[in-house]
Amino acid sequence: AQKITQTQPGMFVQEKEAVTLDCTYDTSDQSYGLFWYKQPSSGEMIFLIYQGSYDEQNATEGRYSLNFQKARKSANLVISASQLGDSAMYFCAMRETYSSASKIIFGSGTRLSIRP
Amino acid sequence: GAGVSQTPSNKVTEKGKYVELRCDPISGHTALYWYRQSLGQGPEFLIYFQGTGAADDSGLPNDRFFAVRPEGSVSTLKIQRTERGDSAVYLCASSRGDQETQYFGPGTRLLVL
Repeated sequence: AQKITQTQPGMFVQEKEAVTLDCTYDTSDQSYGLFWYKQPSSGEMIFLIYQGSYDEQNATEGRYSLNFQKARKSANLVISASQLGDSAMYFCAMRETYSSASKIIFGSGTRLSIRP
Repeated sequence: GAGVSQTPSNKVTEKGKYVELRCDPISGHTALYWYRQSLGQGPEFLIYFQGTGAADDSGLPNDRFFAVRPEGSVSTLKIQRTERGDSAVYLCASSRGDQETQYFGPGTRLLVL
């Protein structure tokens, strides 16, 4: 069965520093997709970045990059030059491409707090 | 363009009552999903629609939960005989098609007293 593990329940980071949020996953499928979502206190889940299992390059979106290490089954999110507005819950998620249709499995999340 | 919208934003009900939660997906998105998020946890999948039909309802916890999408756009999640354990945030998401990125609405916070 697929599973997402986020081992950091909470993190504090100084503004303007880079931060890495850890995510490991477990799946028996060869084809899958990995996502990161941000959930501010307002509650809405905001899509940040996507990595396909066959993508050779790490995904990047502005200040967000995904450090994808397939052999280790890890998909860490790196946020560069953190800002106060980055304070939120961050969820790592996975979708298996061929089995279980389109549902996404989420991790338990990491609460990121940016200090001014 | 407009994102996914959900109504009501908050719902307080009494144990045993019936509730309906509405989701209006992004225009043109054929796939629609419902998730439930309990306090301190990540969202959990409930049901997925492709067009009007439920393609995967394996996440519905029991037969008190039902969802419809009669015209392939707006969806309604229906909960009968609500229980206190149903209290959670119910999130709706939509995507252009199967296997595309899912975009979430703001959620409905359901509290069952």
